[in-house]
Amino acid sequence: EVQLVESGGGLVQPGRSLRLSCAASGFTFDDYALHWVRQAPGKGLEWVSGISWHSNTVDYADSVRGRFTISRDNAKNSLYLQMNSLRAEDTALYYCAKGGSGSPRGGWFDPWGQGTLVTVSS
Amino acid sequence: QSVLTQPPSVSGAPGQRVTISCTGGSSNIGAGYDVNWYQQLPGTAPKLLIHGNSNRPSGVPDRFSGSKSGTSASLAITGLQAEDEGDYYCQSYDGSLSATVFGGGTKLTVL
Repeated sequence: EVQLVESGGGLVQPGRSLRLSCAASGFTFDDYALHWVRQAPGKGLEWVSGISWHSNTVDYADSVRGRFTISRDNAKNSLYLQMNSLRAEDTALYYCAKGGSGSPRGGWFDPWGQGTLVTVSS
Repeated sequence: QSVLTQPPSVSGAPGQRVTISCTGGSSNIGAGYDVNWYQQLPGTAPKLLIHGNSNRPSGVPDRFSGSKSGTSASLAITGLQAEDEGDYYCQSYDGSLSATVFGGGTKLTVL
C-alpha cells in the first residue's frame, strides 16, 4: 500500500523557520515526482512546490518562491520542505502528494498524505 | 483569484446528475495540459477522482466521468448519493507560470 506521512508542523512565530518532512513507503520512491500542497483553514487547495524524481527540476508557487525550499532524499524515501521567513498567510494544513510521473510538470497527485498543520502566529 | 475557475457550489437530489465546470485559458487547459479532478470529503485528504481528463483510477465508481474541450473541462456525477457530498477540485499545469494550478473548488450538496 502506498503511504505518505507528513511531520514537522506546529506553531511558529512570524519570520521564523520550520522544516516539514514526508516519509514515503509502498512504491519505488525515486521513480516519481513529489509535491507539497497546502490548504488554509476553510479555504481551497493551493499547490506550493514540486520536485522531479532526480531533483533536477523544481517548481514553486509565486507566493513561496525565495522563502521555501523543496528537497528529497531518495536513499531515505523522504521529501522535505524548508520554510523560512514564515508569514501569517502561510498558516495551513500542508499535504505531501505523489506525482503521476517523474516530472513535476503536468500529471496528477495520488495519493495524498493526511497533512501536517502549520500555524504562524505571535 | 484561481487560474482555473469553478462554480462555488452545485446541488442535486439523490439519483440526479450534476456537472462541475472548470474553465482555464490558453496557457493551461487550452495549451493541451491534462485536467485532473479530486474529491475531498469533510475532514479528509483529497482523493484522485479523474486523471488525464477522463480516466478513472481503479476503485472510483463509473458514476464519475470527466471530459475536456478547448479551454474547459467538466466533471459529471450521475446517480447522486449522500456520500458524494463534499468539495471537488480541478487541477492542471500552467506553462506560462511553470506551476501546477488548482480551481477554487466546488461544494457539492446532496439535497
